[in-house]
Amino acid sequence: KNEVEQSPQNLTAQEGEFITINCSYSVGISALHWLQQHPGGGIVSLFMLSSGKKKHGRLIATINIQEKHSSLHITASHPRDSAVYICAVRNTGNQFYFGTGTSLTVIP
Amino acid sequence: DSGVTQTPKHLITATGQRVTLRCSPRSGDLSVYWYQQSLDQGLQFLIQYYNGEERAKGNILERFSAQQFPDLHSELNLSSLELGDSALYFCASSVDGRAGVGRSTDTQYFGPGTRLTVL
Repeated sequence: KNEVEQSPQNLTAQEGEFITINCSYSVGISALHWLQQHPGGGIVSLFMLSSGKKKHGRLIATINIQEKHSSLHITASHPRDSAVYICAVRNTGNQFYFGTGTSLTVIP
Repeated sequence: DSGVTQTPKHLITATGQRVTLRCSPRSGDLSVYWYQQSLDQGLQFLIQYYNGEERAKGNILERFSAQQFPDLHSELNLSSLELGDSALYFCASSVDGRAGVGRSTDTQYFGPGTRLTVL
């Protein structure tokens, strides 16, 4: 049983499309992270949430603590957004759990 | 560039051997985290140190150990290596990270990773 489930596993979009990646978790959390991993392997932290919504440029992350669900939205997608997006949670016992990632390809 | 450095970038070794991976956090960051990423198990949390003290422990094998030194750099020691230990090992750092309640000081900055291949 995975503590963190992401969907979809793979996503192909046309440039300019609005994209949503979903994350559900089953443990009590202190924070949820959205990470981006590029084909070269490097990982960047996009957002860290414990409630509500955050926006950075074309990226928006939301979390619903009661429903144990988070979404990552990308508006006006661009080929440079092509990457693996990983949802991670830190539980109240300071353990981290990771989703298996969503591989996004944006076609020009 | 996140400001977190890891050495070496690549490491090839044989089963049964011991290796040490090194991580230098961003200047001013007190927490260091170690993660393992393998093809079959994805990303896994290994261990966190805060200002020299172990803060949280994840799926770290008994054959693995880590420490954080007074200058805040950290080392991950892997011994009695097995084929299954082949993976990317990332470290990350954050300013704080003790409470993990989503404060900006808990934002993690990842290093480029060390790719370990065990033959």
